[in-house]
Amino acid sequence: AQTVTQSQPEMSVQEAETVTLSCTYDTSESDYYLFWYKQPPSRQMILVIRQEAYKQQNATENRFSVNFQKAAKSFSLKISDSQLGDAAMYFCAYRRSGTASKLTFGTGTRLQVTL
Amino acid sequence: GAVVSQHPSWVICKSGTSVKIECRSLDFQATTMFWYRQFPKQSLMLMATSNEGSKATYEQGVEKDKFLINHASLTLSTLTVTSAHPEDSSFYICSARSDRKETQYFGPGTRLLVL
Repeated sequence: AQTVTQSQPEMSVQEAETVTLSCTYDTSESDYYLFWYKQPPSRQMILVIRQEAYKQQNATENRFSVNFQKAAKSFSLKISDSQLGDAAMYFCAYRRSGTASKLTFGTGTRLQVTL
Repeated sequence: GAVVSQHPSWVICKSGTSVKIECRSLDFQATTMFWYRQFPKQSLMLMATSNEGSKATYEQGVEKDKFLINHASLTLSTLTVTSAHPEDSSFYICSARSDRKETQYFGPGTRLLVL
């Protein structure tokens, strides 16, 4: 069974600084997708970034980028120029390729942004 | 990103009554919909997966007679909590995905309080 591990229950970053959230996963599949979702206090799950396993290039979305290390099964999220609005729970998620597959979530990392 | 709506956002009901929660994909056809439950400060727990026009697949430990799921069209799925009890109080989140999209999009969630 696939597992997703987020070893940092809480992280803190100062406004305008950079923070990296860790995520590791375990799978025997070669074709899969990885996601980072953000859940702010409103509890709406928001997609932050997505990575296809077959792509070697790391995904980026504005201030958000990932470090995808397929061999190490690592998928960290880097947030640059942190803003107060980045404060939220961040969930790493895995899904193998295929229409019948479902997301496996990590336990989440709560990010605090301080002034 | 794609939009998923959920209604109601808040519901308070008496013990023994049934509650229906609607989930709609507004700008895409959702071939697969998912229902999650989330306890405070925890990750999302998948309850069931439904495909349009077929019976839902429930996760182990989820009572199918208590949590009725209907996915009658490509844009609508409903979760009915039958004979609700206080222990059913929780935050319920729906999610939708189409065969053409690899990303799963989430509704804003429904807070259920059973008195």
